[in-house]
Amino acid sequence: KAGVTQTPRYLIKTRGQQVTLSCSPISGHRSVSWYQQTPGQGLQFLFEYFSETQRNKGNFPGRFSGRQFSNSRSEMNVSTLELGDSALYLCASSLGDSTEAFFGQGTRLTVV
Amino acid sequence: GENVEQHPSTLSVQEGDSAVIKCTYSDSASNYFPWYKQELGKGPQLIIDIRSNVGEKKDQRIAVTLNKTAKHFSLHITETQPEDSAVYFCAFGGFQKLVFGTGTRLLVSP
Repeated sequence: KAGVTQTPRYLIKTRGQQVTLSCSPISGHRSVSWYQQTPGQGLQFLFEYFSETQRNKGNFPGRFSGRQFSNSRSEMNVSTLELGDSALYLCASSLGDSTEAFFGQGTRLTVV
Repeated sequence: GENVEQHPSTLSVQEGDSAVIKCTYSDSASNYFPWYKQELGKGPQLIIDIRSNVGEKKDQRIAVTLNKTAKHFSLHITETQPEDSAVYFCAFGGFQKLVFGTGTRLLVSP
């Protein structure tokens, strides 16, 4: 059974640009959550999608957005990139409510 | 806001020793407490979890205990092996919206 797949694995962007990251959940999983991991702030929750609807949102500015498609694949977008957005962005999928979340390997974003 | 304190930040043990990592959380309404292991260059891997109606759970060399009154939960690894070396995170909250601890770097020396 394939795990959570995130693409691309690495990305380098310039300040002010925007970026889109992709996440394919485990087959059959309908919930996708996104997290940001940095050395300073640790792992922080961004948002969660279930059946194409955002159910939960973390404390991040509006430059961070996401969406989920009918096949449960999800994308997150960051606009007007800042140096501080450099981080490992992780996606986790789960079957639904009250089920465990499984993480992908992440996308390493570097903003220069 | 919701937060969880995790200790120690680093832990060095000899192969075969036991390792214990402790977390204290803020939100008394939480009923889900997972532990994740993260190796270099990889995403966090769920290793064990516990729900609020259970006080202890074991899976081979790994065990987790939960004290809801004191808002404490702990990870116990027995008979440690070099491949246990990694960063371990405790977490709590909703299944799809987790609050993570700051991580414990475990180093197991042969």
